[in-house]
Amino acid sequence: GAGVSQSPSNKVTEKGKDVELRCDPISGHTALYWYRQSLGQGLEFLIYFQGNSAPDKSGLPSDRFSAERTGGSVSTLTIQRTQQEDSAVYLCASSPPPGALEQYFGPGTRLTVT
Amino acid sequence: GDSVTQMEGPVTLSEEAFLTINCTYTATGYPSLFWYVQYPGEGLQLLLKATKADDKGSNKGFEATYRKETTSFHLEKGSVQVSDSAVYFCALTRNTGGFKTIFGAGTRLFVKA
Repeated sequence: GAGVSQSPSNKVTEKGKDVELRCDPISGHTALYWYRQSLGQGLEFLIYFQGNSAPDKSGLPSDRFSAERTGGSVSTLTIQRTQQEDSAVYLCASSPPPGALEQYFGPGTRLTVT
Repeated sequence: GDSVTQMEGPVTLSEEAFLTINCTYTATGYPSLFWYVQYPGEGLQLLLKATKADDKGSNKGFEATYRKETTSFHLEKGSVQVSDSAVYFCALTRNTGGFKTIFGAGTRLFVKA
């Protein structure tokens, strides 16, 4: 079946502009995660959604970052007033209903802020 | 807070050499432990997992044993191949109170023919 998809695959934006990154999880997966991977670095947790529960936003680095998940499926990560340090690959992952724990990753969106 | 520490890379080995990538963790409770792999130009994918103490995860010739007494989950392979060249990430996920996952920094492996 279809895996996790993300769009766009690449995004170049000017400093100060807003960007929206999209994630389509695997159908039936109830959990959705966003991570940031900077060049040569590990994965930095950003936010986690599980079903209809309140999201865990503890990893969002500043109030310029926000995310929503509509209808328990598609998620959008929004970065307002982008800065050069926001340049990274943004990864989305989804997991089956609670108990499975392993995550299935999308290909990522490479964001470059000039 | 929870954390995962991996050995720094890069690790360079010749084909058929023995591989160990060390991973230790700090966590409250009893997390599940994972190794993910990222091949060049590809996304992360699950390599193996262990959900409780003394469990051994295995896949594609790789193994890792959940050692609670040493809070470790070291990745091993008896004979590496050039195709194993990738970045390997150790990770933990709590089993209760939310499923936030913490990743290590990753270890890059180069295997020479």
